[in-house]
Amino acid sequence: GAVVSQHPSWVICKSGTSVKIECRSLDFQATTMFWYRQFPKQSLMLMATSNEGSKATYEQGVEKDKFLINHASLTLSTLTVTSAHPEDSSFYICSANPTSLSTDTQYFGPGTRLTVL
Amino acid sequence: RKEVEQDPGPFNVPEGATVAFNCTYSNSASQSFFWYRQDCRKEPKLLMSVYSSGNEDGRFTAQLNRASQYISLLIRDSKLSDSATYLCVVGSYTGGFKTIFGAGTRLFVKA
Repeated sequence: GAVVSQHPSWVICKSGTSVKIECRSLDFQATTMFWYRQFPKQSLMLMATSNEGSKATYEQGVEKDKFLINHASLTLSTLTVTSAHPEDSSFYICSANPTSLSTDTQYFGPGTRLTVL
Repeated sequence: RKEVEQDPGPFNVPEGATVAFNCTYSNSASQSFFWYRQDCRKEPKLLMSVYSSGNEDGRFTAQLNRASQYISLLIRDSKLSDSATYLCVVGSYTGGFKTIFGAGTRLFVKA
């Protein structure tokens, strides 16, 4: 099956620093990738849709200047949490939909656990 | 009203039991439907897609009723390893493809 990787798998940082999370599709190309956030005991909340070669589409309530998304290639999207604060601590998960498939199935990365002190 | 609503759970069942999960969605233009499974502190993994004709994969059966905007998942002969959170996921094309996750239903299968 299609494989999506994320790096790092976990990160601890001080308040005010920026953290970059990478999402890679390892064996397929993905024109579109998605970024989700999941707080403990809650479901995944879509943050933004990352489109290769164009600006990301953010969901309502998600600050685009705080969560910077770059989708520079068909296999890589990055999410940068700028000036992170403790309330940004969460499980960040990306997913990708293979461009070559005609289905809407998404393949998820293993997630990145961010803890902001 | 949430876009995708699921049974609140948790469901506690003995091994071998049959358990059913329900899900409703509000966007009548939704086009794709899935059940995902998520283990604690892990990413969601696709369990099965859901089609109007219904589909079965071993002990798992999924049904879709577009008229009622309702999706179901039936698990027969529950195993201990089925313990997880089951997520109902609905996809739609509204200015681009987007998927909405239900809050999930936690299942505990006991020996």
